[in-house]
Amino acid sequence: DVKVTQSSRYLVKRTGEKVFLECVQDMDHENMFWYRQDPGLGLRLIYFSYDVKMKEKGDIPEGYSVSREKKERFSLILESASTNQTSMYLCASSRRTSGSFHNEQFFGPGTRLTVL
Amino acid sequence: RKEVEQDPGPFNVPEGATVAFNCTYSNSASQSFFWYRQDCRKEPKLLMSVYSSGNEDGRFTAQLNRASQYISLLIRDSKLSDSATYLCVVNGITGGGNKLTFGTGTQLKVEL
Repeated sequence: DVKVTQSSRYLVKRTGEKVFLECVQDMDHENMFWYRQDPGLGLRLIYFSYDVKMKEKGDIPEGYSVSREKKERFSLILESASTNQTSMYLCASSRRTSGSFHNEQFFGPGTRLTVL
Repeated sequence: RKEVEQDPGPFNVPEGATVAFNCTYSNSASQSFFWYRQDCRKEPKLLMSVYSSGNEDGRFTAQLNRASQYISLLIRDSKLSDSATYLCVVNGITGGGNKLTFGTGTQLKVEL
């Protein structure tokens, strides 16, 4: 069974703090993703990575950065947390894409981040 | 126009009913289509992929209409356990092969 784990289920931080969200997958997947999910807006892609040390901006990268030093681990960093970054953060992984055809994405349980 | 559009619902149906959801997408070049299911306070999980010829998995049938750019999900003989949010997913406009776009979801509530 594919397993994607995230470092915390709930996190409360203060405005201006640096926040690290960690994601680990155990299926040797090449692709990893970070999304945030907000009511009425659905899942929005923040960043993704298709290989170690590679990263691509998603739809809403502003205020975030990422790090992928090892294949199994993909970290999301909020350099200076703000209240509008309060959200549910979901990590996902998948096997390498073949042309335009995508493989199933497996999601972690999510981290509910509150920024006060 | 949104890349992927869904009716948010909720669809309230009695147990045993047949219910159908549609989803429209804007990128005519999209190649990958999925339905994911998300239970309350849980992560999304793949329900089924959607193929050009249509496909069926037990009580669930998915169809793709490329000409009108929509996909559909039909659930027959609804169960209480089918209550969830159903997310329509399509590969995205920016063409990076790794990017999927998720709809905001359609909520289904199956009642006794």
